[in-house]
Amino acid sequence: AQSVTQLGSHVSVSEGALVLLRCNYSSSVPPYLFWYVQYPNQGLQLLLKYTSAATLVKGINGFEAEFKKSETSFHLTKPSAHMSDAAEYFCAVLRNYQLIWGAGTKLIIKP
Amino acid sequence: NAGVTQTPKFRVLKTGQSMTLLCAQDMNHEYMYWYRQDPGMGLRLIHYSVGEGTTAKGEVPDGYNVSRLKKQNFLLGLESAAPSQTSVYFCASSYPTSGAETQYFGPGTRLLVL
Repeated sequence: AQSVTQLGSHVSVSEGALVLLRCNYSSSVPPYLFWYVQYPNQGLQLLLKYTSAATLVKGINGFEAEFKKSETSFHLTKPSAHMSDAAEYFCAVLRNYQLIWGAGTKLIIKP
Repeated sequence: NAGVTQTPKFRVLKTGQSMTLLCAQDMNHEYMYWYRQDPGMGLRLIHYSVGEGTTAKGEVPDGYNVSRLKKQNFLLGLESAAPSQTSVYFCASSYPTSGAETQYFGPGTRLLVL
C-alpha cells in the first residue's frame, strides 16, 4: 500500500534562511508525487508535481523538490524563506485517481 | 472563471440534523472529490466521482452520501450529523490526463456539529 510520511508537524525558520520540508513515500511502482500549499483559511493549491520526467522539479514561488528513488524521498526546498511562505504544506502520492496525503507540515517564518 | 466553489462556507448543526454541501466547478472536469481535513491528519478522501452519474467510496465514507447528477456539481450529504463529523470539508476537481492530474480545490466548508 502506498503511504506518505512528512517529518515534523511544524518547521520554524528565519526569514532568508533555507526551507527544507521532508516527505518520504512508500510505493510499489514509480509514483506520481505532489506538493500542495494551504494558506490560512484557504483551500489547497499545487506547488509542484513529479511525473518521472525530471528528478528535480521546480514549482511556484521559488520552491523545488528532488525525487530520490533510492531514499524514497521527495523533499521540498526553497533557498531563502519569505514571510509570505508561512503556510501548511502537504505532500501526496497518487494511487488509482486518489491522492494519499501526508499529515502536513506547518511552516513558521521568524522575522 | 470561478474555478471550484463551495456552499456554504460555514455551518453549525445539531446532532441528528441533516445537510447538503454543494460543490460546483466550471472547468469541465471529469473527476470530483470530497475530502475532510482534521488537525494532524492531513486530508482524507470521503467519496469521489470519475464522471457524471458515477460515485465511489474513499477512505472514510461512513455517514456521508454523494450525488453527481450534473457534471459540474458534486453534492455531499450528511443524513444524521454527529459531533465526529465536525471538520473542514474540501471539494476538488481534476481532468484526466496521463495520470498525474492536478486537483483544484475549493475554499472549504467549516462544519461544526454540536
